[in-house]
Amino acid sequence: NAGVTQTPKFQVLKTGQSMTLQCAQDMNHEYMSWYRQDPGMGLRLIHYSVGAGITDQGEVPNGYNVSRSTTEDFPLRLLSAAPSQTSVYFCASSTGTDTQYFGPGTRLTVL
Amino acid sequence: LAKTTQPISMDSYEGQEVNITCSHNNIATNDYITWYQQFPSQGPRFIIQGYKTKVTNEVASLFIPADRKSSTLSLPRVSLSDTAVYYCPVSQGANNLFFGTGTRLTVIP
Repeated sequence: NAGVTQTPKFQVLKTGQSMTLQCAQDMNHEYMSWYRQDPGMGLRLIHYSVGAGITDQGEVPNGYNVSRSTTEDFPLRLLSAAPSQTSVYFCASSTGTDTQYFGPGTRLTVL
Repeated sequence: LAKTTQPISMDSYEGQEVNITCSHNNIATNDYITWYQQFPSQGPRFIIQGYKTKVTNEVASLFIPADRKSSTLSLPRVSLSDTAVYYCPVSQGANNLFFGTGTRLTVIP
């Protein structure tokens, strides 16, 4: 049971490039979320999903897209990277009981 | 929207008991109160959860007054490895959490 996994661990992009951050969980959780954490700050919700085929926006959704075709996977796409998107990105999953399980994070730098 | 208020930072010596209080005035009636711990370069990790009164597990205790507008995380006899940021997020609906900036606990030898 690997829990929540994220790839890549590190990524450097140039402004304007696109990429997809991968997130997968093997706990059969319905709920999945993406957060970003800027230096010295708490986590802010980007997008979330309450089940396969259902997604919704969080607090800071601009510049990001998500899809949820399976229960296990919840990729986050950056459409056109900007320096303001330099951050650490965390994926989380849960059963809906407020206890969320977080992945190890992806550290993204946009030059 | 529900928000939380916590002290920004706290220092404690090894072996002492540490109490971190969180204010969550607008917590929803059905929501549980959950605390997370985050080490540098890692995702937050669940510590403890409760609804009211007192909950205790192998690492911490959680005290919740009757009005549920605040909660106190108690860490007994802290060690250097307890140095971390502690969060008391509240639900924004659909099981998604508002984290705030958390409390940075530094344990001093």
